[in-house]
Amino acid sequence: GENVEQHPSTLSVQEGDSAVIKCTYSDSASNYFPWYKQELGKRPQLIIDIRSNVGEKKDQRIAVTLNKTAKHFSLHITETQPEDSAVYFCAAGTGFQKLVFGTGTRLLVSP
Amino acid sequence: DVKVTQSSRYLVKRTGEKVFLECVQDMDHENMFWYRQDPGLGLRLIYFSYDVKMKEKGDIPEGYSVSREKKERFSLILESASTNQTSMYLCASSFSILEGEQYFGPGTRLTVT
Repeated sequence: GENVEQHPSTLSVQEGDSAVIKCTYSDSASNYFPWYKQELGKRPQLIIDIRSNVGEKKDQRIAVTLNKTAKHFSLHITETQPEDSAVYFCAAGTGFQKLVFGTGTRLLVSP
Repeated sequence: DVKVTQSSRYLVKRTGEKVFLECVQDMDHENMFWYRQDPGLGLRLIYFSYDVKMKEKGDIPEGYSVSREKKERFSLILESASTNQTSMYLCASSFSILEGEQYFGPGTRLTVT
């Protein structure tokens, strides 16, 4: 089955810096790669996703890149703000949205 | 606005009890999911359902069962609760296999003593 590894487990940056979170997956059949953000005490929410026919996707300060050959994908956050502080989960999946999630990255943005 | 609700935010049960966790979504979503969330382990899929009365095992189904008698409601059942089932349980729903986003409920923190 699919296995998703996520690094780093914690990431501390200064406000205004960039943050990068990386994930690798094992199943070459996976074709859908979402990223979820979970603020403290709240439910996970989708922030961006990418499908395997696309190499990069951007939405304002966040972007995701996908390298199918190497089976890894990354989340990039530019100009970080304190409200970006949260736990971020990557996931990989195929049909029926049976997603396998990474173990999460706790991002702390200091003012 | 999609709303996914769970019957309890906090629940304390004793070892051996039968436990029911209820999830309801109000957006006519086809797919529903149950995950457990543990520190350092992320979200792990227990069961999911893509239609009424249909269910599929996820990655960690042992010790759990599910029921989906109506489209809007998906129940997770712990037949005989054990201490290693102490966890945060999250329900989610999504419109179809073509629609990417899963909408999560607020979670139920279950403690088994």
